[in-house]
Amino acid sequence: GQQLNQSPQSMFIQEGEDVSMNCTSSSIFNTWLWYKQDPGEGPVLLIALYKAGELTSNGRLTAQFGITRKDSFLNISASIPSDVGIYFCAGRDQAGTALIFGKGTTLSVSS
Amino acid sequence: EAGVTQFPSHSVIEKGQTVTLRCDPISGHDNLYWYRRVMGKEIKFLLHFVKESKQDESGMPNNRFLAERTGGTYSTLKVQPAELEDSGVYFCASSQAIGLAGPHTYEQYFGPGTRLTVT
Repeated sequence: GQQLNQSPQSMFIQEGEDVSMNCTSSSIFNTWLWYKQDPGEGPVLLIALYKAGELTSNGRLTAQFGITRKDSFLNISASIPSDVGIYFCAGRDQAGTALIFGKGTTLSVSS
Repeated sequence: EAGVTQFPSHSVIEKGQTVTLRCDPISGHDNLYWYRRVMGKEIKFLLHFVKESKQDESGMPNNRFLAERTGGTYSTLKVQPAELEDSGVYFCASSQAIGLAGPHTYEQYFGPGTRLTVT
């Protein structure tokens, strides 16, 4: 089945640093999504991307839908302690169908 | 507006026992999904309901798992009999019906999950 390769698996950074993580796939997706999961909570949607090449921001977060439609990245600028959590990329072929997730990037921020 | 809720939040059962997980989607959401995350691995799709009908159950691991959504509202996922490898966090998500309001309106909203431990 389809798989997403998400990297890095974990990151340990200082408050104020910028962060970058990415996902690649062997197949094409029509939608790329980035979710964040806090401890004891479910994944919360951060950014959704619907067109190849699309660059979208949500506050300090910026994500891009790769031109080949097989990859996406998420950048977090000027990290703060509340950015701690697990970040998941997810892809989807068609609207209303199941999401395929990466294994997640665990972010730790020290102040 | 209330989000997706799941019950229980945690369940610890012995191998061979039965457990039933419940999901209440966001009111008015026709689409309901079940996912599972085994420790350290990716979140994997189990099945998808549209109202009360199973649209896609290709991710269900085996016939020990039974999902229902009678009346098209809440859903239950029963594991019977549970095995050790069934341990993990089970997430439910819901989304609106696909319409003309734009793709962002039918993204999936996740519940907090049920952590199932089979000993």
